[in-house]
Amino acid sequence: KNQVEQSPQSLIILEGKNCTLQCNYTVSPFSNLRWYKQDTGRGPVSLTIMTFSENTKSNGRYTATLDADTKQSSLHITASQLSDSASYICVVSSTDSWGKLQFGAGTQVVVTP
Amino acid sequence: NAGVTQTPKFQVLKTGQSMTLQCAQDMNHEYMSWYRQDPGMGLRLIHYSVGAGITDQGEVPNGYNVSRSTTEDFPLRLLSAAPSQTSVYFCASSYGTSGGGSDTQYFGPGTRLTVL
Repeated sequence: KNQVEQSPQSLIILEGKNCTLQCNYTVSPFSNLRWYKQDTGRGPVSLTIMTFSENTKSNGRYTATLDADTKQSSLHITASQLSDSASYICVVSSTDSWGKLQFGAGTQVVVTP
Repeated sequence: NAGVTQTPKFQVLKTGQSMTLQCAQDMNHEYMSWYRQDPGMGLRLIHYSVGAGITDQGEVPNGYNVSRSTTEDFPLRLLSAAPSQTSVYFCASSYGTSGGGSDTQYFGPGTRLTVL
């Protein structure tokens, strides 16, 4: 069973609108949680990395939140642009699994004009 | 810096053939890893290395070999290709360990492999 679940699988939003992606995980003991953006045909690119003590972290129009008690994270995209069309991947690492990250399947976001 | 480079970009093999996917990084990163990405699934770790001469297995290592003779290079070898190995392969590197640390992980552009 995947230890990192993302929702929704896909969504379509209008340019300029906001959206929020969800990530639930069961990985334990927790080390850090990352969000990646993957454009079609390219490798993932890191957006944010959060450790246990961090509740929120921003990278431009991307804001990630983390609730380590409920094992949930969200990625909020503000004022979406066409270039935000991509897959967004949640990744969790454990202090027990040194060097091994657990990847979610991703949320496919399509921004339409 | 070129970052993480992978060759080839595309490859078609016949069942039973062998080949090597190349990966190189010029950032002096100790940690390198190989993933495969299949539709509807998250990236899965094949093998990883925490430094020259040191490698270990990931989640799906069967049918693949790796070696790390230098810090820069981390080739992935398919011993006898099977249709189940049709996938997109990504190489990644980071300064420290991606497990316990918080180092940014850099990915290559990927190799799209088809096994007939």
